[in-house]
Amino acid sequence: GDSVTQTEGLVTLTEGLPVMLNCTYQSTYSPFLFWYVQHLNEAPKLLLKSFTDNKRPEHQGFHATLHKSSSSFHLQKSSAQLSDSALYYCALRSNYQLIWGSGTKLIIKP
Amino acid sequence: EAGVTQSPRYAVLQEGQAVSFWCDPISGHDTLYWYQQPRDQGPQLLVYFRDEAVIDNSQLPSDRFSAVRPKGTNSTLKIQSAKQGDTATYLCASSFDRENERLFFGHGTKLSVL
Repeated sequence: GDSVTQTEGLVTLTEGLPVMLNCTYQSTYSPFLFWYVQHLNEAPKLLLKSFTDNKRPEHQGFHATLHKSSSSFHLQKSSAQLSDSALYYCALRSNYQLIWGSGTKLIIKP
Repeated sequence: EAGVTQSPRYAVLQEGQAVSFWCDPISGHDTLYWYQQPRDQGPQLLVYFRDEAVIDNSQLPSDRFSAVRPKGTNSTLKIQSAKQGDTATYLCASSFDRENERLFFGHGTKLSVL
């Protein structure tokens, strides 16, 4: 069945360093993926969604590229900010539902 | 544009008590989802509706949980006899039912069962 895997439960980085959070998926049909961000005591909010035409979505300095050959949709940012500390979920759209990864907690230290 | 509204924000119960959560989705959104998010875990789908119809409630613990959306707008999720294991945040989300449409989440109801 369809699934999403986020291998890192916790990523701790120093401010200014690059960020990369892993997401791989298994999808029965043409995949459509999302990254949601959840700050402490807040609801998840959409950060990025994949495009069908191979464009690279970007938002708040984050970007992600859908690679069908490797079934991946890794989240990247060139320079981490303290405010990026949050939970990040990769999600796959499947039958009008979202299949969520287990989440990666990102902590950015000064 | 108003977002997804949920109430109450917090609930504290003793085991065996009942509780209801209420959700008002974004106007025009025909699909509504209820998720359970235990502490330090990702959201887990309980049930979702398209208009007033239940599309998937396979993850809803049917003996104690129920959800309705009678007019295809607001929705209520009810727990009849709460257990400590129900302690979690209950999130409501809505979307316009088109393929690959994003979900908009409410702030959630944080439930503690003592």
